Amino acid sequence: DGGITQSPKYLFRKEGQNVTLSCEQNLNHDAMYWYRQDPGQGLRLIYYSQIVNDFQKGDIAEGYSVSREKKESFPLTVTSAQKNPTAFYLCASSVTSGRTDTQYFGPGTRLTVL
Amino acid sequence: GNSVTQMEGPVTLSEEAFLTINCTYTATGYPSLFWYVQYPGEGLQLLLKATKADDKGSNKGFEATYRKETTSFHLEKGSVQVSDSAVYFCALRGSNDYKLSFGAGTTVTVRA
Repeated sequence: DGGITQSPKYLFRKEGQNVTLSCEQNLNHDAMYWYRQDPGQGLRLIYYSQIVNDFQKGDIAEGYSVSREKKESFPLTVTSAQKNPTAFYLCASSVTSGRTDTQYFGPGTRLTVL
Repeated sequence: GNSVTQMEGPVTLSEEAFLTINCTYTATGYPSLFWYVQYPGEGLQLLLKATKADDKGSNKGFEATYRKETTSFHLEKGSVQVSDSAVYFCALRGSNDYKLSFGAGTTVTVRA
C-alpha cells in the first residue's frame, strides 16, 4: 500500500537536545511538507520541499531544520533553539506543488519536551 | 494573506441529525478549498475538495459547495453516525501559495 509513514509515534526529549523526526513516502510525490499542530489550533507550515535537494521555509521555521536528499524522505530536526517544541508534527506530500493537488498526511509524531 | 474562519465547536449531535460546519475564507485569486477530518491521535485525512467556483465536493455522505460570491465552503451531512465523531478542518490553498491555510478545527461529537 502506498502512503506516508512517520516515526516514532511518540517522542520525548530533554531540554537542550536536538531530535530528528522521520517522514517517508512511497507515493512517488515530488512535494513534501512539515506542519505543526498545537491544541485547539489549525496546522502551521514549518518547511516544504518541491523537489529533491531543494526546500524553503514556511511560516514558523525558526528552531527547525530539514533535508531532502532523496525523493521519498524529508526528515525534520527540532533543535534546541526551538523555544516551545512540544506539539504534534505532521508530514504531508503531494504529486506536485500545484494549487489543485491534494496534500496527503502521515499519522504524525507527538513530541514532548521534558 | 490567505485565511480561513470556521465555526467554533464543540458541536454535539445525536445520531441521524443534520450536521453543518460553516467555513468562510479570505484569499486573492482562485484558491482551492478542502475539508480534512482528524480522528483522535491520528493524522489528517482528506474528506473532500473543490478547485473552482460552484464545484461541489462530496464523499461519505458529506458535501460542500465552493461559493465564490459568499467566500464560503460549508460542510454538510444529512444524517450523522457515531463514527463521524472527529475534528474537521477547513483549508485553502491559494493561487500562488505552497502551503495549506487551515481553520482552527471544529470538534464534532455524535451520541448514539
